[in-house]
Amino acid sequence: GDSVTQMEGPVTLSEEAFLTINCTYTATGYPSLFWYVQYPGEGLQLLLKATKADDKGSNKGFEATYRKETTSFHLEKGSVQVSDSAVYFCALSDPGGTSYGKLTFGQGTILTVHP
Amino acid sequence: DVKVTQSSRYLVKRTGEKVFLECVQDMDHENMFWYRQDPGLGLRLIYFSYDVKMKEKGDIPEGYSVSREKKERFSLILESASTNQTSMYLCASSFGGIGYTFGSGTRLTVV
Repeated sequence: GDSVTQMEGPVTLSEEAFLTINCTYTATGYPSLFWYVQYPGEGLQLLLKATKADDKGSNKGFEATYRKETTSFHLEKGSVQVSDSAVYFCALSDPGGTSYGKLTFGQGTILTVHP
Repeated sequence: DVKVTQSSRYLVKRTGEKVFLECVQDMDHENMFWYRQDPGLGLRLIYFSYDVKMKEKGDIPEGYSVSREKKERFSLILESASTNQTSMYLCASSFGGIGYTFGSGTRLTVV
């Protein structure tokens, strides 16, 4: 079945540091890929997405590129801020077949940014 | 913007109680989902529904049931709550496989 693996966390960085959170996936067909963010006490918000190979999703300074050859969708940001402290989830959705587009999530990565 | 509203942010229930978690969406989405979130495990799908009165089991349906009598409302039912069902529950709706919106979550504690 489909699966998503994220890098082990938690991740602790100083403000303005470079961020990478690794994500790899296993899926049949041609999945869409997502990064969601969960701020303390809140639900999940879509951060960015990519629907086909070589697409780059971007939002709020975060970027991720859909790499079919390496089955990866790593999240990057050049300079993190304290306000980026949150839990980040990588996810995939296979809109085809009979799965009705249900999301499969990675285990989440806790990011803490210190001033 | 699509809104997904979960009726309670926090619930405390006793072991053996029947528990109802309610979720309402306002954008006529066909698909609705219930996930459970636990630290280190990410989100795991409990049940989903792709139409009124239709439901499909997700990855961890044991101990849960669902009801979808109207398109906008999707209820998760814990038939007899147990302490291992203490968790954060998240509802979501989507149009097709792309446009997901999540509710704010219900943190359920079973004592």
